[in-house]
Amino acid sequence: KQEVTQIPAALSVPEGENLVLNCSFTDSAIYNLQWFRQDPGKGLTSLLLIQSSQREQTSGRLNASLDKSSGRSTLYIAASQPGDSATYLCATETGTASKLTFGTGTRLQVTL
Amino acid sequence: EPEVTQTPSHQVTQMGQEVILRCVPISNHLYFYWYRQILGQKVEFLVSFYNNEISEKSEIFDDQFSVERPDGSNFTLKIRSTKLEDSAMYFCASTKGFGEQYFGPGTRLTVT
Repeated sequence: KQEVTQIPAALSVPEGENLVLNCSFTDSAIYNLQWFRQDPGKGLTSLLLIQSSQREQTSGRLNASLDKSSGRSTLYIAASQPGDSATYLCATETGTASKLTFGTGTRLQVTL
Repeated sequence: EPEVTQTPSHQVTQMGQEVILRCVPISNHLYFYWYRQILGQKVEFLVSFYNNEISEKSEIFDDQFSVERPDGSNFTLKIRSTKLEDSAMYFCASTKGFGEQYFGPGTRLTVT
């Protein structure tokens, strides 16, 4: 059974800092890994999807990497802004259009 | 940009009552999902649906739960006799079958 863990659980950084969020998973036989953003009381916004054959994916100030063999993914946020404050979730998919297994999330606060 | 929509945004019901949560997936998507998130906990998979039948379900999705695609656009989750522990945020998601799963804004279900 896939277990997904995210470290740290919470993070507070000053505006402008670069930061890294970590995601680890126990079953390396994944098909995709997806990063989401969740604002308090709101839905999940997809940020990036990395397919199992890819090593990284970039969107604007976000860069996600994937190391399947070690069961890890990182989300790098460059030049953080207060608007980046949210909970970031990673989720793995083990087959085409199969269910997502979510991590516990990292709650990020970017201060002025 | 197409998005998944859900209604209602908040539903309050008494224990033992039936509730139906509604979702309109993105129109050209083929796979549909329900997830739930109990306050402060992980997002959990409930059920996936493809070609008018359930393709996978979790242990949570017992006989009290059912899903239906009554027409070409709606996808519903019914809870037959709600319990206090059903209180959660329920998310609908859809995908073409490859690539990202797109989530709706959620329905907050409160069982009193």
